[in-house]
Amino acid sequence: DAKTTQPPSMDCAEGRAANLPCNHSTISGNEYVYWYRQIHSQGPQYIIHGLKNNETNEMASLIITEDRKSSTLILPHATLRDTAVYYCIVRGNTPLVFGKGTRLSVIA
Amino acid sequence: EAQVTQNPRYLITVTGKKLTVTCSQNMNHEYMSWYRQDPGLGLRQIYYSMNVEVTDKGDVPEGYKVSRKEKRNFPLILESPSPNQTSLYFCASSSLAGEGVDEQYFGPGTRLTVT
Repeated sequence: DAKTTQPPSMDCAEGRAANLPCNHSTISGNEYVYWYRQIHSQGPQYIIHGLKNNETNEMASLIITEDRKSSTLILPHATLRDTAVYYCIVRGNTPLVFGKGTRLSVIA
Repeated sequence: EAQVTQNPRYLITVTGKKLTVTCSQNMNHEYMSWYRQDPGLGLRQIYYSMNVEVTDKGDVPEGYKVSRKEKRNFPLILESPSPNQTSLYFCASSSLAGEGVDEQYFGPGTRLTVT
């Protein structure tokens, strides 16, 4: 599976959009980009995934660059409850492998 | 309600005393997995199972056993626990329908302390 690179931490003001970047320059054609988050010590929660098109659901939007070497998770209106560690994972037909993620702090 | 359950949620035990952490899912998922999470190391996969009677090692399988006799259950067994197995453990499950399309559901976690 392709490895991912994420910043270790980010801050975001409450009510503003949180843009979390992820680099995956070695991604191959059949690999998807997944995003999960983990709030405090709870079990990780699935957010969104995509292959090459941009995706949106009730939680977030996923923007994947045309060359697929990077992506951005967008939380359009961050709240305090979005404070969590966010994991970007690239995988094909293999199990998910979690890196260290980005610790997002939403500040009032 | 679709869920993954783990028991116990908290456990303090002593070195060498065999223990089992149970995991059960009610979503008829083929795939199940165990992770451990330690400060600074993130989530690391211990074992996973693609279906009944099929299990494979993850990144950190030493000191652990698993079994998958039924689709819904995937217990994690520590035959002789040691203090370095003190950790937060998560069970997860997902379907395998479609290439790459699997939302993984996680249990609430089991906090294990081995003294």
